[in-house]
Amino acid sequence: AQSVSQHNHHVILSEAASLELGCNYSYGGTVNLFWYVQYPGQHLQLLLKYFSGDPLVKGIKGFEAEFIKSKFSFNLRKPSVQWSDTAEYFCAVISMEYGNKLVFGAGTILRVKS
Amino acid sequence: DVKVTQSSRYLVKRTGEKVFLECVQDMDHENMFWYRQDPGLGLRLIYFSYDVKMKEKGDIPEGYSVSREKKERFSLILESASTNQTSMYLCASSPSDGSYNEQFFGPGTRLTVL
Repeated sequence: AQSVSQHNHHVILSEAASLELGCNYSYGGTVNLFWYVQYPGQHLQLLLKYFSGDPLVKGIKGFEAEFIKSKFSFNLRKPSVQWSDTAEYFCAVISMEYGNKLVFGAGTILRVKS
Repeated sequence: DVKVTQSSRYLVKRTGEKVFLECVQDMDHENMFWYRQDPGLGLRLIYFSYDVKMKEKGDIPEGYSVSREKKERFSLILESASTNQTSMYLCASSPSDGSYNEQFFGPGTRLTVL
């Protein structure tokens, strides 16, 4: 079955530290990739997405992600985190070959210490 | 701004009760989705709908049904609630323009079944 793996369930960082959250998916073919974020008490919202073109995509709030097709990966990065980045982050993948359904990873809870 | 609203933020029901969760979107989106979100499991798709009166099973449809009588409204029904259906339920919508668009999420309904 298709799956999306996020490497860490909990990450704790100090402010100004760099962030990288791993995401790998299990299936080939053409995929569209997303990172969603859920801030405490708020609804899930899109951070960034990749459909085609430049594999390095930039999103809101200084986040970026790199699609590496050969590694089936779409890791999320931010050079310097802030306390306000404390949230849960979800990687998600959709593929026409697999029913056009968005499949989510288990999520990574990021806590940034001030 | 796309608005996806859900009828309740918190709901407490008893085992065996019939439960209705309502979702309304105001952007004329064709696609609507119901997920449940559980810690460590991410979001799992229960049902989705591509059009009025159309529905398709997601990954975990057992114990649930849905109704879509109007384009803007998608209801999730728990015919006989059980304690293992205690969860956060998220509704989402997306447009249908031939590409795999981002989904816009509602604030969620936290359901507790006693």
